[in-house]
Amino acid sequence: RKEVEQDPGPFNVPEGATVAFNCTYSNSASQSFFWYRQDCRKEPKLLMSVYSSGNEDGRFTAQLNRASQYISLLIRDSKLSDSATYLCVVNLNAGNNRKLIWGLGTSLAVNP
Amino acid sequence: DAGVIQSPRHEVTEMGQEVTLRCKPISGHDYLFWYRQTMMRGLELLIYFNNNVPIDDSGMPEDRFSAKMPNASFSTLKIQPSEPRDSAVYFCASSPQQPYRDHHTGELFFGEGSRLTVL
Repeated sequence: RKEVEQDPGPFNVPEGATVAFNCTYSNSASQSFFWYRQDCRKEPKLLMSVYSSGNEDGRFTAQLNRASQYISLLIRDSKLSDSATYLCVVNLNAGNNRKLIWGLGTSLAVNP
Repeated sequence: DAGVIQSPRHEVTEMGQEVTLRCKPISGHDYLFWYRQTMMRGLELLIYFNNNVPIDDSGMPEDRFSAKMPNASFSTLKIQPSEPRDSAVYFCASSPQQPYRDHHTGELFFGEGSRLTVL
């Protein structure tokens, strides 16, 4: 099983739609979690951190479910400019095993 | 403020040639990372430095790859000899914080990448 798994998509949604992505992780020792956004042929950029209690930033909501070992990203009222690949990142900090683990990403296309 | 600067942006070379990728991190960032991204494997950490010292190079594929950081404002990743399977986008990133400590903000600042094609 991969350490971090994401549905690659693509998710094709119309403008204004609500879309959600999940990301599962295998190591329960994972400490913190993030969503990055990567536009086509560009570098990844931090979108938001994911807190235990869930957090919201405008149209974006991130949630963590430690029991089931997944995080989610919800995008409301999607815009054309939301089209990108969304990378799930897990910070594993367990003894001598410390690393950032990156998912392969979920591709989102928002259509007019 | 300038972000992470990488060069070259694109490189096409023939198998067996030496490739040198360059990176200038954000001033004041003590951590520098070299990543490789491919469609199949995603982002893979090759090596990272703290205060110019290599901390973890376990991701460096083999002896053909080497990385240096002679000072706080410059790092190189060298592939010699290059092979077609090295074709990928190589990203340099920097961070002001140790990324693996608890409750790190998680923010790595990436350069625009160097797209390498080895024929």
